[in-house]
Amino acid sequence: AQSVAQPEDQVNVAEGNPLTVKCTYSVSGNPYLFWYVQYPNRGLQFLLKYITGDNLVKGSYGFEAEFNKSQTSFHLKKPSALVSDSALYFCAGRAPNTGGFKTIFGAGTRLFVKA
Amino acid sequence: KAGVTQTPRYLIKTRGQQVTLSCSPISGHRSVSWYQQTPGQGLQFLFEYFSETQRNKGNFPGRFSGRQFSNSRSEMNVSTLELGDSALYLCASRVEGSTGELFFGEGSRLTVL
Repeated sequence: AQSVAQPEDQVNVAEGNPLTVKCTYSVSGNPYLFWYVQYPNRGLQFLLKYITGDNLVKGSYGFEAEFNKSQTSFHLKKPSALVSDSALYFCAGRAPNTGGFKTIFGAGTRLFVKA
Repeated sequence: KAGVTQTPRYLIKTRGQQVTLSCSPISGHRSVSWYQQTPGQGLQFLFEYFSETQRNKGNFPGRFSGRQFSNSRSEMNVSTLELGDSALYLCASRVEGSTGELFFGEGSRLTVL
């Protein structure tokens, strides 16, 4: 079965420090991988995606993610955290060229950035 | 360009009732997916529609159903509501043939009493 795992329920970081939110995947083939962010009482917003090519992907709001095929990981990173980055982050994956369309989401990681 | 619109945003029902939720995708998006979000289960895939056809279905009982209209608008219905159906129901659309990134609506928060 295909799955996406986010091993940390919560990540705490001080403002100005680098942050990492971890994600590992078990998706067949060369998967498409995504990060989304959710603010309270809102839908999910797309941050970035890895399709192919450079393993370091840059996205919105200064976020980036590193794809590591050997470790089947796709960790979200930001060099300097802001209090406004506090939110719920979801990693997601999809197997390309599959019939239909089904994106699998991780359980989510809540990020707290303290001033 | 308008985003994905979901109605209603909030609703309260009692056990045994039924509910219909509506989703209007971004103009030009023909694929619509539905997800259930709860604190304990995270985001669970319900179903996906493309060109009025259900193309994929998650592991939910038959009480959960959906449909898509010719204008790509979609509805989902939950019959015989149970307390455990209380959740945020999210709709997402995307451009067919794209690399799969989803555009989400704000969600419909259902409370079952």
